[in-house]
Amino acid sequence: KAGVTQTPRYLIKTRGQQVTLSCSPISGHRSVSWYQQTPGQGLQFLFEYFSETQRNKGNFPGRFSGRQFSNSRSEMNVSTLELGDSALYLCASSLEIRETQYFGPGTRLLVL
Amino acid sequence: AQSVTQLGSHVSVSEGALVLLRCNYSSSVPPYLFWYVQYPNQGLQLLLKYTTGATLVKGINGFEAEFKKSETSFHLTKPSAHMSDAAEYFCAVSGGYSTLTFGKGTMLLVSP
Repeated sequence: KAGVTQTPRYLIKTRGQQVTLSCSPISGHRSVSWYQQTPGQGLQFLFEYFSETQRNKGNFPGRFSGRQFSNSRSEMNVSTLELGDSALYLCASSLEIRETQYFGPGTRLLVL
Repeated sequence: AQSVTQLGSHVSVSEGALVLLRCNYSSSVPPYLFWYVQYPNQGLQLLLKYTTGATLVKGINGFEAEFKKSETSFHLTKPSAHMSDAAEYFCAVSGGYSTLTFGKGTMLLVSP
């Protein structure tokens, strides 16, 4: 069974731009979560989706948003990029809520 | 609310020596506990998990961890380190939802 896939793997943007990252969960998984990883703050939870509904949200500004489609694929969007948004963005999927999460390889975003 | 403390940002061992990575948690509900490993430029790989039942949990690559409720600990051990174990290790706890709260990570260095 294929694992979690994330596209693109690498991305370079400039301040003020917006970006959309995509995540395809493991087949049959209905829950998708997003995390931001930076050297300074470590791994921080962004949001969780289940059956196209946001179930939980981390402490990030409204510039960070996401959605989940009927096939469980998910996207996250960051508008008005700031230098501090440079990070590895990780997507994880699980069968159901509170089941084990399996992570994708991440999208590395660099904001110049 | 939950939190995780990993003692030691870096741990150095010799090949063949015991590996011990420490993790203490706090959780307002019965916790699910996880250890993940991250190799350079990759996502997180699940090593092992504790949900309920047996408190000694065995994972992949010879790792195991013991859940000690009285000590609020979930330390990761491996009897004999291998060069390929060099990576960053993350302890995580989840509460009522899937949301994972991670520790800051411990970089394991293995010398020949």
